[in-house]
Amino acid sequence: DTGVSQDPRHKITKRGQNVTFRCDPISEHNRLYWYRQTLGQGPEFLTYFQNEAQLEKSRLLSDRFSAERPKGSFSTLEIQRTEQGDSAMYLCASSPQSDTQYFGPGTRLTVL
Amino acid sequence: AQSVTQLDSQVPVFEEAPVELRCNYSSSVSVYLFWYVQYPNQGLQLLLKYLSGSTLVKGINGFEAEFNKSQTSFHLRKPSVHISDTAEYFCAVNLIQGAQKLVFGQGTRLTINP
Repeated sequence: DTGVSQDPRHKITKRGQNVTFRCDPISEHNRLYWYRQTLGQGPEFLTYFQNEAQLEKSRLLSDRFSAERPKGSFSTLEIQRTEQGDSAMYLCASSPQSDTQYFGPGTRLTVL
Repeated sequence: AQSVTQLDSQVPVFEEAPVELRCNYSSSVSVYLFWYVQYPNQGLQLLLKYLSGSTLVKGINGFEAEFNKSQTSFHLRKPSVHISDTAEYFCAVNLIQGAQKLVFGQGTRLTINP
């Protein structure tokens, strides 16, 4: 069991640039979640996939954010025209058709 | 909507002392309850969860938690802490049905002093 992996672990970018993060869930987990965690806060839900279908999006997910899970396996989260307020840890989690979510190590984004 | 309140943002304790981290939740429907631990610059690791049945649940690393429905609480306890328990602890809930997205508290930073 290789666990949830995320790439990159750290990303530094300049304001206005686009960034893309990747999440590889645990094999055969059909549910995949993205969360955002800012300093000193708990994670906040961004979006949820069941297989390849994006079934729920938070109001936190502005038009500049887009997420995909094209084949129901890995997922990508893209942020266009980054702003300093986007600086955060982006966490991915996966789950089988059950209650428990397993988290990856996160991608820390710093927008200068 | 669900919400989670962790009553202490920081808890300092001495090594080998007992500790309790407090969590209260609000929900109009049934939820599952979780405690996660986060070490510096890492993701979240599940400590324990309450789904149903016995209200006292045991987790990894010697932690346990008790679900109290009347007080809507799910406090985390450990009888004797170690330096390695220094971390951020998050209480979370999710709905039993639907997307089961987690709603987290703001976290409690546990600092163990020698």
